[in-house]
Amino acid sequence: GQNIDQPTEMTATEGAIVQINCTYQTSGFNGLFWYQQHAGEAPTFLSYNVLDGLEEKGRFSSFLSRSKGYSYLLLKELQMKDSASYLCAVRLFDRGSTLGRLYFGRGTQLTVWP
Amino acid sequence: DSGVTQTPKHLITATGQRVTLRCSPRSGDLSVYWYQQSLDQGLQFLIQYYNGEERAKGNILERFSAQQFPDLHSELNLSSLELGDSALYFCASSVTNLRGGDGYGYTFGSGTRLTVV
Repeated sequence: GQNIDQPTEMTATEGAIVQINCTYQTSGFNGLFWYQQHAGEAPTFLSYNVLDGLEEKGRFSSFLSRSKGYSYLLLKELQMKDSASYLCAVRLFDRGSTLGRLYFGRGTQLTVWP
Repeated sequence: DSGVTQTPKHLITATGQRVTLRCSPRSGDLSVYWYQQSLDQGLQFLIQYYNGEERAKGNILERFSAQQFPDLHSELNLSSLELGDSALYFCASSVTNLRGGDGYGYTFGSGTRLTVV
């Protein structure tokens, strides 16, 4: 099975920086994804890490440590529109398979205050 | 528009009934995934199809079934519906067919909101 943990809720103010952590315990790991989801809408892709280290994409950065089963999503210069749920997902391959699928944590609801 | 099309957007039905949700993947994508999202459970993986064949099952109930057709669209059939089946059902697609070959390739449709009354 998969165990993917992330905080349920976080709050921050406009212009601030927030870090959302994700820890996982899985077998067959092949990449970690972060998605953003506004209420009632589809998840949209934010970032992807398969190797250890930091990936930066504008105001968003994501970090992965495979040995620790740990990732974080860093959001800088927060804006009101960043209020959303942030989903951590691991991609798993079955043994002997060339196909993968995503398993999601329950999401972190971020509220950005003015 | 993500390129993944789901119909219908909303569905209200009574307990005990059967419904079919439809998904057309992004052009060129061979894999289709179905997910269920309820308020207390987050996004739960249900089932995966690749090029017409079932490839993986997650937390899918026996009352639920799915298939992928030759044109790659997929249908999720939910039967003997219960109140607890009320949820958002998402379809996602990807082009993945090589180990580690896709970095970004999972695209979600806008979902079907199912309400069982």
